[in-house]
Amino acid sequence: EVQLVESGGGLVQPGGSLRLSCAASGFTFSNYWMTWVRQAPGKGLEWVANINRHESEKYYVDSVRGRFTISRDNAKNSLYLQMNSLRAEDTAVYYCARHAAWAFDIWGQGTMVTVSS
Amino acid sequence: QSALTQPPSASGSPGQSVTISCTGTSSDVGGHNFVSWYQQHPGKAPKLMIYEVSKRPSGVPDRFSGSKSGNTASLTVSGLQAEDEADYYCNSYAGSNNWVFGGGTKLTVL
Repeated sequence: EVQLVESGGGLVQPGGSLRLSCAASGFTFSNYWMTWVRQAPGKGLEWVANINRHESEKYYVDSVRGRFTISRDNAKNSLYLQMNSLRAEDTAVYYCARHAAWAFDIWGQGTMVTVSS
Repeated sequence: QSALTQPPSASGSPGQSVTISCTGTSSDVGGHNFVSWYQQHPGKAPKLMIYEVSKRPSGVPDRFSGSKSGNTASLTVSGLQAEDEADYYCNSYAGSNNWVFGGGTKLTVL
């Protein structure tokens, strides 16, 4: 079964850091670009970052560039999102998703990140 | 990277058809044939329904169809069923490896 499972979410104070993980299974992880998408409570979806197959290309939405870092470990079939200098507006469910055919075809169940003092 | 514009809500009776619009610019929707649509039920992860404007992934009913004209893409759900009630989001490639979502449309089956 093709599956993505996120972990690492939680409560963090403003200015703090958190590292999200996404474990992939059921497909050849190294063959795909991967993405992080977030959804603030009661709000819509927002693309956050993506990474190519070999980690040589990484792209970010303006609001997180310089604070968040996307990475991957193809040997471990895992995707990561290192989040630093967190702000209240980063509070959201974070989803990892697989890129295929210029769309996001497989999604994880999401992990909640709450930034609050 | 402004969000694409979708109507906040749409509705229809069972068996009817409903169309949801997604308006962008020539930099995103109008400039690329890489529009996709996602269905999200409450508390669940989004699900891909349409990709590359009008293609359906395996397993998505043919009641769902997509199209595009200029800077506006559309999702049409024909033969509405109760389980189609959900939030729907469009997404478009916006160039320079950026992606932008619409604000979402809540579809109600009356």
